[in-house]
Amino acid sequence: GIQVEQSPPDLILQEGANSTLRCNFSDSVNNLQWFHQNPWGQLINLFYIPSGTKQNGRLSATTVATERYSLLYISSSQTTDSGVYFCAVVGVGNQFYFGTGTSLTVIP
Amino acid sequence: DTEVTQTPKHLVMGMTNKKSLKCEQHMGHRAMYWYKQKAKKPPELMFVYSYEKLSINESVPSRFSPECPNSSLLNLHLHALQPEDSALYLCASSEGRMNEQFFGPGTRLTVL
Repeated sequence: GIQVEQSPPDLILQEGANSTLRCNFSDSVNNLQWFHQNPWGQLINLFYIPSGTKQNGRLSATTVATERYSLLYISSSQTTDSGVYFCAVVGVGNQFYFGTGTSLTVIP
Repeated sequence: DTEVTQTPKHLVMGMTNKKSLKCEQHMGHRAMYWYKQKAKKPPELMFVYSYEKLSINESVPSRFSPECPNSSLLNLHLHALQPEDSALYLCASSEGRMNEQFFGPGTRLTVL
């Protein structure tokens, strides 16, 4: 199956700081999603981004499928951004693979 | 409406009990999924239903039995579970297998 590695595994930020989360995948993919898992376990859809760049408020994402990576940018971070960020990909055969996750803590 | 609902939110059961988890979506999606998530780990795929037929079973023990009664509902029947089965169980749906997945809030299961 496809290996999906995220970096960094853990990140601590001061409120107001910016950050970049990275997702590397080992093979061609048909789609890619970014999720935020809140402390109660809910997985919230952030972006569906097989390629290109999208923005939603303080968050934006870029996927470069030919180079097998995606980036999630968080600007002006807030304490409510804390949680675990997952990328997930759909590979050939339509298998869905989650990345290893980045645990983000934003401190006031 | 992009909502997937799951019941119950929490479940505590003994190793000899039989219980069921329920998942529902009204987005007209034709693919539905069960995942298991242990603490500090990513979700692991258990089962995939496509057009109400089981298309993937990721070598899950038979004490977990999925059921898709119709295109909107997905059940997971539990029997003779072990304490190591304690986890967050997540349901998801998507328009098709390649499309964006939407997740429910999960059922937090504890097996005593």
